Amino acid sequence: NAGVTQTPKFRILKIGQSMTLQCTQDMNHNYMYWYRQDPGMGLKLIYYSVGAGITDKGEVPNGYNVSRSTTEDFPLRLELAAPSQTSVYFCASSQGINYGYTFGSGTRLTVV
Amino acid sequence: DQQVKQNSPSLSVQEGRISILNCDYTNSMFDYFLWYKKYPAEGPTFLISISSIKDKNEDGRFTVFLNKSAKHLSLHIVPSQPGDSAVYFCAARVFGNEKLTFGTGTRLTIIP
Repeated sequence: NAGVTQTPKFRILKIGQSMTLQCTQDMNHNYMYWYRQDPGMGLKLIYYSVGAGITDKGEVPNGYNVSRSTTEDFPLRLELAAPSQTSVYFCASSQGINYGYTFGSGTRLTVV
Repeated sequence: DQQVKQNSPSLSVQEGRISILNCDYTNSMFDYFLWYKKYPAEGPTFLISISSIKDKNEDGRFTVFLNKSAKHLSLHIVPSQPGDSAVYFCAARVFGNEKLTFGTGTRLTIIP
C-alpha cells in the first residue's frame, strides 16, 4: 500500500531552469492537491484537482502549472525556476470533502 | 491574511504530563477542523478532527476541543510520550469546500 508517492525527494535547480515534480496515488482518490511549506509557515495550497481533467488554482499558483490526465497522477510543473520557489512541496490526495488528506513524503527543492 | 493561527511556534512538555496545543481561526465559515502531525522528512499524517456541531472529540490519548464563540480549538495529549515529539498543524475547511487551510505549526518536544 504505497499511498501517495512523490519524486524526486530532493532537487537543486538553477535559476531559470524548469522541472516537473511527480505525484502518484494508488488509492483511487478523486481529489489531489499540491502544497508548499516554507520555513516557519504553514502549508500553502498551490493547485488542486477534483478529478481527472479538472484543475484549479489555490492560494499561490504563480510560477506553477499542473495537469491531471489520469486519476492516479498529478504532476506539478515549475517553469523558469526562481529562488522564491525554494521550498518543500507536498502532494496530497483525499476521497472527498468529509475525509482527511493523505500526504506524500515531500520534495525538497532548492533554487540557486 | 493568516486565517488559521498557531501562535506558539514551539512547546516543551515533560513525558507523562499533558500537552496542550492551541489554534485560533478568523473565518466564521470554517465548519470542520483537523490536526495533523509531522515528523522530519515525512509528510503530515492525519491525527484527529472535529466538526463544528461538536465541542469535543476524543481518540485515545488525543482530545480536540472546539470553542466556536472564541474561534479557538485545542489539542490535548495525555499522557505525553517521546514519540509525540513532532510538528503539529491545525487545519480548517469551509463548509462544502474540499480545500484545507493550514496553520503555521507548533513544534512539540517531549522531554524524557
